[in-house]
Amino acid sequence: SQQGEEDPQALSIQEGENATMNCSYKTSINNLQWYRQNSGRGLVHLILIRSNEREKHSGRLRVTLDTSKKSSSLLITASRAADTASYFCATDKGGSYIPTFGRGTSLIVHP
Amino acid sequence: DAGVIQSPRHEVTEMGQEVTLRCKPISGHDYLFWYRQTMMRGLELLIYFNNNVPIDDSGMPEDRFSAKMPNASFSTLKIQPSEPRDSAVYFCASTTGGPSYEQYFGPGTRLTVT
Repeated sequence: SQQGEEDPQALSIQEGENATMNCSYKTSINNLQWYRQNSGRGLVHLILIRSNEREKHSGRLRVTLDTSKKSSSLLITASRAADTASYFCATDKGGSYIPTFGRGTSLIVHP
Repeated sequence: DAGVIQSPRHEVTEMGQEVTLRCKPISGHDYLFWYRQTMMRGLELLIYFNNNVPIDDSGMPEDRFSAKMPNASFSTLKIQPSEPRDSAVYFCASTTGGPSYEQYFGPGTRLTVT
């Protein structure tokens, strides 16, 4: 079964708008990661947030983590057509440290 | 560094044939992961190695699948005999520092079994 699940499954926005994706998980974690996958390519790491952190930024990306709600969000500000991709969260189960990936959010940014 | 290298990029084979997928991790990375991605099941971890030793192969679907890592710079995933339901994209990834850290993925091998 999936440890992390992204929501929504698909998101379609206009260039310049913000995109928000959410990830919910079931058991305690050590780290939560977000990855991007362009069509036909491998996954690319975006951000890792540890369980004792609440927010991290990287360029136009902002990730929040709420361990009490077992959820995380990825915000992409001022989106660009090049941000069109699938976005995955990966969560490890506290004891195993092995990350499992959700089914992903498919983001389409219209120019 | 060239990143994680996988070969072949595409493989088309007939049911019953043996298939071998290859991976070269990033130099210095001590963890290597094999994943399978399908529309139906998403991204599944098949097996991972630490310092060339298989640690967890609970994701390997059945005995038809086997993986080896003879040295720090090379790993193979073999399917024998292959079946149409094995059709998927197979990714190799590597990391260092621990299994829950940033993983670097290869471009994948798209396998089609007819």
